[in-house]
Amino acid sequence: GQQVMQIPQYQHVQEGEDFTTYCNSSTTLSNIQWYKQRPGGHPVFLIQLVKSGEVKKQKRLTFQFGEAKKNSSLHITATQTTDVGTYFCAGFMEYGNKLVFGAGTILRVKS
Amino acid sequence: NAGVTQTPKFQVLKTGQSMTLQCAQDMNHEYMSWYRQDPGMGLRLIHYSVGAGITDQGEVPNGYNVSRSTTEDFPLRLLSAAPSQTSVYFCASSYTHGGAYNEQFFGPGTRLTVL
Repeated sequence: GQQVMQIPQYQHVQEGEDFTTYCNSSTTLSNIQWYKQRPGGHPVFLIQLVKSGEVKKQKRLTFQFGEAKKNSSLHITATQTTDVGTYFCAGFMEYGNKLVFGAGTILRVKS
Repeated sequence: NAGVTQTPKFQVLKTGQSMTLQCAQDMNHEYMSWYRQDPGMGLRLIHYSVGAGITDQGEVPNGYNVSRSTTEDFPLRLLSAAPSQTSVYFCASSYTHGGAYNEQFFGPGTRLTVL
């Protein structure tokens, strides 16, 4: 079936180091969304990318959507303890109504 | 606006019991969906709805029923609870614009344990 793979599953970094999580779909996506979930909380929307090759920035976060609209990445520069949580990518398949989530990347930051 | 609300917050069931998880939104969103979250597996789509009177299956629909009689409400019914349905359940809603779906607003979740 349609799948969205996300790696790594887990990342433990020192505060100030960079962090990247990658998302890959088996089929073309119409858009990709990124969410953050704090421990014990619910997913909170970060951003949506729609166009092929699109790059968006939110302060220390940089989001990219691949040219083929099958992969995406989230990069955090100089992590802080407030970045701790699980980051999910989620994509709507082209011509579909189902939003499929990746398994998420758990980020831990050592201060 | 209350956003997306879910009840109950916690529930313990015995195997074979049935129950309904409630979800409501007051943002007039057309799209609503139910996910379950298990450790290491992300959020898996159970059922979704693109508008009142329209529902469809997601990735893991077996053992669950939904209905969408109003725009606001999207209840999830467990027909005969099994231990494999122990999970955290999230309801979400979103608006559409130009035929495209936008950010999902999630409810606080229901933590369900089936003994």
